[in-house]
Amino acid sequence: QITLKESGPTLVKPTQTLTLTCTFSGFSLSTNGVGVAWIRQPPGKALERLALIYWNDDKRYRPSLKSRLSITKDTSKNQVVLTVTNMDPVDTGTYYCARRNYDTSTFDYWGQGTLVTVSS
Amino acid sequence: QSVLTQPPSASGTPGQTITISCSGSSSNIGGNTVEWYQQFPGTAPKLLIYGDGGRPSGVPDRFSGSKSGTSASLAISGLQSEDEADYYCAAWDTSLSGPEFGGGTKVTVL
Repeated sequence: QITLKESGPTLVKPTQTLTLTCTFSGFSLSTNGVGVAWIRQPPGKALERLALIYWNDDKRYRPSLKSRLSITKDTSKNQVVLTVTNMDPVDTGTYYCARRNYDTSTFDYWGQGTLVTVSS
Repeated sequence: QSVLTQPPSASGTPGQTITISCSGSSSNIGGNTVEWYQQFPGTAPKLLIYGDGGRPSGVPDRFSGSKSGTSASLAISGLQSEDEADYYCAAWDTSLSGPEFGGGTKVTVL
């Protein structure tokens, strides 16, 4: 059974750095063809891919946010960590982690999401 | 602003067939496969269609996907009240170096 779960702060202040952890089970990020992505969704708005890391440490960042994002993996702990610097109220939203299946080119499993609010 | 364009809303009566469009370009739909996701309020998205028209195990065959050139479509036949949800298309975008989502379409069953 494949599961993913997001964890991190629910409230951050403007200019602070957000650190989110995705802890997963049922698959390994050392397996060929596997990736984990962070996707966010502002309230009432569309999904937006932020960052994606593959089994071979290939990383893909959203170009418009690249300077603020960092994604890393800890294969031994089955975790992927996203950091977002210089948080702003427009960064408020639900942050999801999802498994990326390279072979089918899909996000085939998703975490439940975590709501992050940026406010002073 | 997404590189994949979807209509904001679509509606139909029970039993009808509705179609949701997803328009892109040669850097995404035109050169890569299309995925579709279904999202109910307050829940995570769920994979509905992969590889332009494939259905994961458990997805009813009322849902079908197709692609032509730089556009894709999701059809829902025999529309049911439980199909009320938001639907998102997605595709790898070569220019943006990653998968991109459409703006989403809210389906209402009248």
